[in-house]
Amino acid sequence: AQTVTQSQPEMSVQEAETVTLSCTYDTSESDYYLFWYKQPPSRQMILVIRQEAYKQQNATENRFSVNFQKAAKSFSLKISDSQLGDAAMYFCASIAGGTSYGKLTFGQGTILTVHP
Amino acid sequence: GAVVSQHPSRVICKSGTSVKIECRSLDFQATTMFWYRQFPKQSLMLMATSNEGSKATYEQGVEKDKFLINHASLTLSTLTVTSAHPEDSSFYICSAGGRGNQPQHFGDGTRLSIL
Repeated sequence: AQTVTQSQPEMSVQEAETVTLSCTYDTSESDYYLFWYKQPPSRQMILVIRQEAYKQQNATENRFSVNFQKAAKSFSLKISDSQLGDAAMYFCASIAGGTSYGKLTFGQGTILTVHP
Repeated sequence: GAVVSQHPSRVICKSGTSVKIECRSLDFQATTMFWYRQFPKQSLMLMATSNEGSKATYEQGVEKDKFLINHASLTLSTLTVTSAHPEDSSFYICSAGGRGNQPQHFGDGTRLSIL
């Protein structure tokens, strides 16, 4: 079984500043993947970034990067140079690896507000 | 472009009506699709796993007779909310794919409002 915990229900950041969203997880799987999804007011689910657990290098996608601490089971998302369009609800999620289609386990979500 | 198409995007209907929501994978075959329910400012709650050619697997607490799932082809899964009541009003999202490190692709969701 997998659990994902986001302890920050809401966060805010000034435009152009940096913000970090926290996520911890627990899993009994040795092979798993971690994701951050963004859900703007339109409620589309948009993949922001993904991390393979077997990779030590932290994933980066433009202004978005993660701090993956496998031993601590921590997977935080850093947004640099925040933009108004980054305002959304962010979900951390995990899935077991392997060849079958597994279920995503989502955290509770963090609402990010970006102030101009 | 979208790889998972979900229709309709918005439904408003009277109590007692049955509502069907479609989820289509556009450019890949999806033997497995997932249906979620989401309340405002809350996380996605997995309702069921839809398996092509077989019965859906429902999560604990989800009424099978209320939420009928059919996955008759490799590109289409449907969720029917039977005899809908106001408490069934919610946002429903489907997803497909997600094997290994390939992320699941989500539909745009259906906002269901039962009057």
